[in-house]
Amino acid sequence: GAVVSQHPSWVICKSGTSVKIECRSLDFQATTMFWYRQFPKQSLMLMATSNEGSKATYEQGVEKDKFLINHASLTLSTLTVTSAHPEDSSFYICSGNRGEETQYFGPGTRLLVL
Amino acid sequence: AQSVAQPEDQVNVAEGNPLTVKCTYSVSGNPYLFWYVQYPNRGLQFLLKYITGDNLVKGSYGFEAEFNKSQTSFHLKKPSALVSDSALYFCAVREPGRTTSGTYKYIFGTGTRLKVLA
Repeated sequence: GAVVSQHPSWVICKSGTSVKIECRSLDFQATTMFWYRQFPKQSLMLMATSNEGSKATYEQGVEKDKFLINHASLTLSTLTVTSAHPEDSSFYICSGNRGEETQYFGPGTRLLVL
Repeated sequence: AQSVAQPEDQVNVAEGNPLTVKCTYSVSGNPYLFWYVQYPNRGLQFLLKYITGDNLVKGSYGFEAEFNKSQTSFHLKKPSALVSDSALYFCAVREPGRTTSGTYKYIFGTGTRLKVLA
C-alpha cells in the first residue's frame, strides 16, 4: 500500500511555456502532499506543502506565482511551472502523507526547459 | 536548528560483506528518523523508520538501522550486501513542531551513494 504516482515522468518544453505535473496517491488518501525539487547529486529541497482544500505553504525563496500548487482532492495535487525557463529544469518529486509519520514518494518528473 | 548529516558521499562495499551507511542528527525533543533509498531517475522508496521503542529497527529488503541516542546517530546496516543495493540513500528527520498548515516537514541529509561491487 501507499503508492504515489506522478505524470508525466519526463517532459521537455520550450522556454516561456507552462508545464503541469500531477501527483496522485493511488491507494490512500493523502491529507498532505509535499513537492520537492532535486538538483543533480544533491538532496531534496522542499518547495511547498499543501493540504487538501487549502492554499499551499511555500518555503522561503520559492516563488508561489511561479510554482502553482493545487490540491483539489485527497488523491490529487498538481504543480504548474509557469513561464518555465532553463533554470527551472530539474527533477520534481512529490510525496503524500496519510496522517501518520511516513511520507510516500512518487517516482519523480524530470523537466527539461529548452 | 534541526539538522541531519550523512558524512560519507559514497560508500563502497564488496558483495556479501556487511554494509553501514552513517547518519547523525540534531533535533530538539524526541527524534522521528527515516531512511529512504533512491534508484536512478526514480523517487524515494521508504526503507524504515524509528519513532519509539526498540533501538534496532528492521525494514525492507533486509535493511536495519540502529538508533543511538547518546551518539545521536541512526546508521543504516545490512548484514550481507547485494549488487542490487547500489543506490542513493537518504536519512531524514521529522521536524518536531507542526507547520502553520498543521503538517510536519522532513529534513533530509545530503545522501550517500552506496556502491556494492561484485
